[in-house]
Amino acid sequence: KQEVTQIPAALSVPEGENLVLNCSFTDSAIYNLQWFRQDPGKGLTSLLLIQSSQREQTSGRLNASLDKSSGRSTLYIAASQPGDSATYLCAVRRAGSYQLTFGKGTKLSVIP
Amino acid sequence: KAGVTQTPRYLIKTRGQQVTLSCSPISGHRSVSWYQQTPGQGLQFLFEYFSETQRNKGNFPGRFSGRQFSNSRSEMNVSTLELGDSALYLCASSLVGAGDYTFGSGTRLTVV
Repeated sequence: KQEVTQIPAALSVPEGENLVLNCSFTDSAIYNLQWFRQDPGKGLTSLLLIQSSQREQTSGRLNASLDKSSGRSTLYIAASQPGDSATYLCAVRRAGSYQLTFGKGTKLSVIP
Repeated sequence: KAGVTQTPRYLIKTRGQQVTLSCSPISGHRSVSWYQQTPGQGLQFLFEYFSETQRNKGNFPGRFSGRQFSNSRSEMNVSTLELGDSALYLCASSLVGAGDYTFGSGTRLTVV
């Protein structure tokens, strides 16, 4: 059974700082990994999708990496802004499956 | 383009009642998935439909059911509601093979 862990559960940083969010998964037989952002009481917004054959994906100030063999992914946020404050969720899709397994998320607070 | 639309946004139901939630996927998306989000358990997979067929089902009791129509719209039904069914129910759609899931804003169900 796939298990996804995100550390830390909460993170508070001053504006402008670069930061890294971590995601680990137990089963390396994945199809892809997706990072999402969730604002309080809202749905999920997709940030980056990494296919199992890829090592990283970039979008603006965000960069996600994937090390499938070690069961790890990181989300790097450059020059953080107060608007980045949200909960960040990592989700893994197993090969041959149509479901996502989510971590519990990292709640990020960027202090002005 | 229009996103994933979930209706209603909020629902209050009494224990023992049943409820039906609706999800309209992005135009052209034929895969629809449902997830339950609670503070304690996080996001948990309910089921996934493609071309009116359920392809995956999560570990939920039979009170939770769903269906997909020929236009890819989907509904989920929960019968004999329990207090523990109070949650945010999220729907996601995907192009087959793309693996990139887009989520709706969710339906907040409160059971009293």
